Amino acid sequence: ETGVTQSPTHLIKTRGQQVTLRCSSQSGHNTVSWYQQALGQGPQFIFQYYREEENGRGNFPPRFSGLQFPNYSSELNVNALELDDSALYLCASSRRTGFRDEQYFGPGTRLTVT
Amino acid sequence: DAKTTQPNSMESNEEEPVHLPCNHSTISGTDYIHWYRQLPSQGPEYVIHGLTSNVNNRMASLAIAEDRKSSTLILHRATLRDAAVYYCILAESSGDKLTFGTGTRLAVRP
Repeated sequence: ETGVTQSPTHLIKTRGQQVTLRCSSQSGHNTVSWYQQALGQGPQFIFQYYREEENGRGNFPPRFSGLQFPNYSSELNVNALELDDSALYLCASSRRTGFRDEQYFGPGTRLTVT
Repeated sequence: DAKTTQPNSMESNEEEPVHLPCNHSTISGTDYIHWYRQLPSQGPEYVIHGLTSNVNNRMASLAIAEDRKSSTLILHRATLRDAAVYYCILAESSGDKLTFGTGTRLAVRP
């Protein structure tokens, strides 16, 4: 158990719809990163939030957006869902206090787009 | 991003040591070598990281070649719970974005 929780666990959406995924970071952590993991692949970095500001983004289109709240929890929003968005979405929290700030991952949200 | 190369899969017997190799010939001077693992149906889990010297923690040891172009994650006594996909990742900080490859799938035989 990492102390990072995600909701919902599973979600089924239709192509073109919008989805919001939620992440509660571990106590004391101020940074949240989001990753997308397609079946059989390693996780791919979407973006990171540090103290409520976006702090780096991977190769994902603008329809992937996020928020971080004052309590450091976070949301990932995906608009205009496509079939290829079907994946496991992972969030990871960390504490930016130096080099030893490993990321703690949640169990993920499995999104299926039909 | 500097790239790492790992074998797709490895097998081990329970209670025997396991050596998981990783090549990173284009590593930069500021890159740390990180290892994460992903157990079935779970998110990735931090294992260990290092810069130049060998490192030990309660989970594993990390042996880093003198030229830093390769490293080896060592599990001293594999258990069934160690069956997972192991990822070798280069990053200046663990808190930075992590660029995962496809990793090494480790199977542990009873």
